[in-house]
Amino acid sequence: RKEVEQDPGPFNVPEGATVAFNCTYSNSASQSFFWYRQDCRKEPKLLMSVYSSGNEDGRFTAQLNRASQYISLLIRDSKLSDSATYLCVVRNTDKLIFGTGTRLQVFP
Amino acid sequence: ETGVTQSPTHLIKTRGQQVTLRCSSQSGHNTVSWYQQALGQGPQFIFQYYREEENGRGNFPPRFSGLQFPNYSSELNVNALELDDSALYLCASRSGTENTGELFFGEGSRLTVL
Repeated sequence: RKEVEQDPGPFNVPEGATVAFNCTYSNSASQSFFWYRQDCRKEPKLLMSVYSSGNEDGRFTAQLNRASQYISLLIRDSKLSDSATYLCVVRNTDKLIFGTGTRLQVFP
Repeated sequence: ETGVTQSPTHLIKTRGQQVTLRCSSQSGHNTVSWYQQALGQGPQFIFQYYREEENGRGNFPPRFSGLQFPNYSSELNVNALELDDSALYLCASRSGTENTGELFFGEGSRLTVL
């Protein structure tokens, strides 16, 4: 079983739609959680950290459920520029473990 | 721009050969990690260096080795290349004093093994 599991998608949504991605992790001792974004043929970049209380950054909302070992990312009012792969990331001790990524394609 | 540079950007090797990939970390960052990203997969942790010492390793065989230099630049060496080693190799740096989870990645070295 992979340490971090995500639905690979692709999710094809129209502009303006709301889309949600989910992720589960297997190590209950994981310390912190993140979403990274990776554009096609580019390097991953930090999108946002994920806190137990839930956190929001503009159109993006992240949630963490430690009891269920579940992380989510909600994108509201999707833009064409949101098209990318979204990587769920978990920190165990001093290393980051990446999920496979969920591909999002926003169409006009 | 993250300030992390990698070379070469693309290269082609044949099975059994050896390869060295190079990374120059962002100024002030003394921790460097290497990741392997196969097509359609997320980055997989290979190892991490802090102040020239390896301080973490993923599930990769010993033929994957590395170095970090006093200026914090780094190398990844892969011996006895196999077809499955074809991937994007990403170098990432961060400050060792604060692990916020933000890694600054280079654009990667795309290795093809024939």
